[in-house]
Amino acid sequence: DVKVTQSSRYLVKRTGEKVFLECVQDMDHENMFWYRQDPGLGLRLIYFSYDVKMKEKGDIPEGYSVSREKKERFSLILESASTNQTSMYLCASQTEPTDTQYFGPGTRLTVL
Amino acid sequence: QKEVEQDPGPLSVPEGAIVSLNCTYSNSAFQYFMWYRQYSRKGPELLMYTYSSGNKEDGRFTAQVDKSSKYISLFIRDSQPSDSATYLCAMRPHTGGFKTIFGAGTRLFVKA
Repeated sequence: DVKVTQSSRYLVKRTGEKVFLECVQDMDHENMFWYRQDPGLGLRLIYFSYDVKMKEKGDIPEGYSVSREKKERFSLILESASTNQTSMYLCASQTEPTDTQYFGPGTRLTVL
Repeated sequence: QKEVEQDPGPLSVPEGAIVSLNCTYSNSAFQYFMWYRQYSRKGPELLMYTYSSGNKEDGRFTAQVDKSSKYISLFIRDSQPSDSATYLCAMRPHTGGFKTIFGAGTRLFVKA
């Protein structure tokens, strides 16, 4: 069974704080993704990575950065959190582009 | 216009009913079609995965793809209260990399 874990289920931060969200997968998948999920908007891709140290912007990268130093770990960084970044953040991993994506449980982030 | 349209619901049905969930899309390049189920406060999990047109059945679930109409459906037979969740459709072209487009999700309630 593929397992994707995320470092926190719930997180509350203040405006301007630097926030780190971590994701770990145990299936040696090449590709990893960060999405945010908002009511009525569905899942929107923030960044993805197809190899260690490689990253590509998704649809809404502004205000975010990512880091992939090891194959199993993909981190999302909010450089200076803002209230409009309050959302559910979902990490996913995938073997190949034709394969499906496996999701973690999500981190519900609230920025006050 | 969004690439993938999905009625957010909520859809409320009695136990035992047949449920029909649908998505329409605009990009004729989409070849891979998926349905995910997402329980409250959890990450999405893959339910059905089909390639190109046709039907696929798995237990009480049937996925249907009509590429000529750019329309996909998920049918749930003998619906159970445990089917209460948000159902997201997702799709991807055959080529062109890693990007999967998700619908906004339909919230389903099955009443006992």
